[in-house]
Amino acid sequence: QVQLQESGPGLVQPSGTLSLSCTVSGGPITNGYWWAWIRQPPGKGLEWIGHIYYSGSTNYGPSLKSRVSMSVDTSKKQFSLNLSSVTALDTAVYYCARVSRGYGDYNYYYYMDVWGRGTTVTVSS
Amino acid sequence: QSVLTQPPSVSGAPGLRVTISCTGSSSNIGANYDVHWYQQLPGTAPKLLIYANNNRPSGVPDRFSGSKSGTSASLAITGLQADDEADYYCQSYDATLTAYVFGTGTKVTVL
Repeated sequence: QVQLQESGPGLVQPSGTLSLSCTVSGGPITNGYWWAWIRQPPGKGLEWIGHIYYSGSTNYGPSLKSRVSMSVDTSKKQFSLNLSSVTALDTAVYYCARVSRGYGDYNYYYYMDVWGRGTTVTVSS
Repeated sequence: QSVLTQPPSVSGAPGLRVTISCTGSSSNIGANYDVHWYQQLPGTAPKLLIYANNNRPSGVPDRFSGSKSGTSASLAITGLQADDEADYYCQSYDATLTAYVFGTGTKVTVL
C-alpha cells in the first residue's frame, strides 16, 4: 500500500526558509491524486497548508499563501514544501498526505486518506 | 480560530456511545460541502475515519459512523473501547476562506 515519508531539517533559523520533502512509495505519484501538507503546532489542532497535483497545479491556504511554495518531482516520486520567513509560530509537526477526491450531491470533496508519520520542525536560533 | 467548532472533550464508559459534534456555518457545511473525520491516537499521525459524511474506509469498524445535517455534522462511536481514546477532528471546505478547514478537535476519554 502507499506510504509517505517526510524528510528535512528539524531546526530552522528565524527568518529562514523551511524546506521539507515527502517521498511516495508503494504506488505512483501520477495517478490522479493530489498531495498535501498539513501542520500541527505543539498541543494544537491541524492546519491545512496546501496541496499540489503531479502536473504542478497548486492550491494554497490563505493564511500562509504569501510564504508558501510547493513543487513535485515525479521522477523521484517526491513533492516538497517551502515556507519562507519563518518565525517561532511556524514550529510544528509537519505532515504530508495523499488527497483523494470524490463528488457529493453538490460539490467535489477532498480528504486525506494516507498520511506520513510527520516530522517535527522547530524554528529557533 | 477554526470555522468548525467541536467540543474540547467528551467521555464515556466502556461499551457506551458517545457523539462528537462539528458545528460550521453557511459558508462550509451549510453550503453542502462534505465532512470528513480523522482519529489521532496519542503521538501518531491522523488517520482517516469517515469520508464524505458517512462513509467508512476499508478497515474502520462499523462502531464509527458519521452524519450531517444543516450546518453541522456528527461522529458517533458505539461500544466505546479503551483504544478509542484519541483526538478526533472534522474537516470540510470553506467557500469564504477558499480553504480546507479542520475542526478544533475533540479529545475522547474512556472512563
